[in-house]
Amino acid sequence: ILNVEQSPQSLHVQEGDSTNFTCSFPSSNFYALHWYRWETAKSPEALFVMTLNGDEKKKGRISATLNTKEGYSYLYIKGSQPEDSATYLCAFDGGQLIWGAGTKLIIKP
Amino acid sequence: GAVVSQHPSWVICKSGTSVKIECRSLDFQATTMFWYRQFPKQSLMLMATSNEGSKATYEQGVEKDKFLINHASLTLSTLTVTSAHPEDSSFYICSAPPTGIGYEQYFGPGTRLTVT
Repeated sequence: ILNVEQSPQSLHVQEGDSTNFTCSFPSSNFYALHWYRWETAKSPEALFVMTLNGDEKKKGRISATLNTKEGYSYLYIKGSQPEDSATYLCAFDGGQLIWGAGTKLIIKP
Repeated sequence: GAVVSQHPSWVICKSGTSVKIECRSLDFQATTMFWYRQFPKQSLMLMATSNEGSKATYEQGVEKDKFLINHASLTLSTLTVTSAHPEDSSFYICSAPPTGIGYEQYFGPGTRLTVT
């Protein structure tokens, strides 16, 4: 059974602080790793699609790294802002997307 | 970016009735759409892959006679929950990959179904 684990399940961060969380996935049959941001009452929005071991992607204050050999990806947020509050989902693409349960991030002003 | 709409956003129905959920790609054509279900604090679980002009492909454990999927056009897929029961209460969300399978997907906002 293929499993995608995200940790922590939830996270409270003070505004201005930086934070990171983890997505663990199977290390075989890897095609891509996806990160999405899902704000309450909105549609999940794609952040990154990562395909190569050692890949590092950045979008503004958000960045992600990928280690396909050991099966993990980190998502980093620098200088957290209230608008970063959302659930961050990762999905392992091994021909079919398998989703993690998400990390719920709450930024405290 | 590409937009996917979903209707209704929430619905309450009585046990034994049927509910139809629509998923539309507003500014692109989607030959494939995905239907997911999410229970509280759990992962998105793929229910079925909807294919325009052909039968949907259901994941193991998903009853195709209970969850009827129709993808009659390149912009519309519907999921009908037939003879709904309280255990079908969940969050249903659709997505479409405008650039093909394996690429990022565009999601609808989801439908909260409550069966009483």
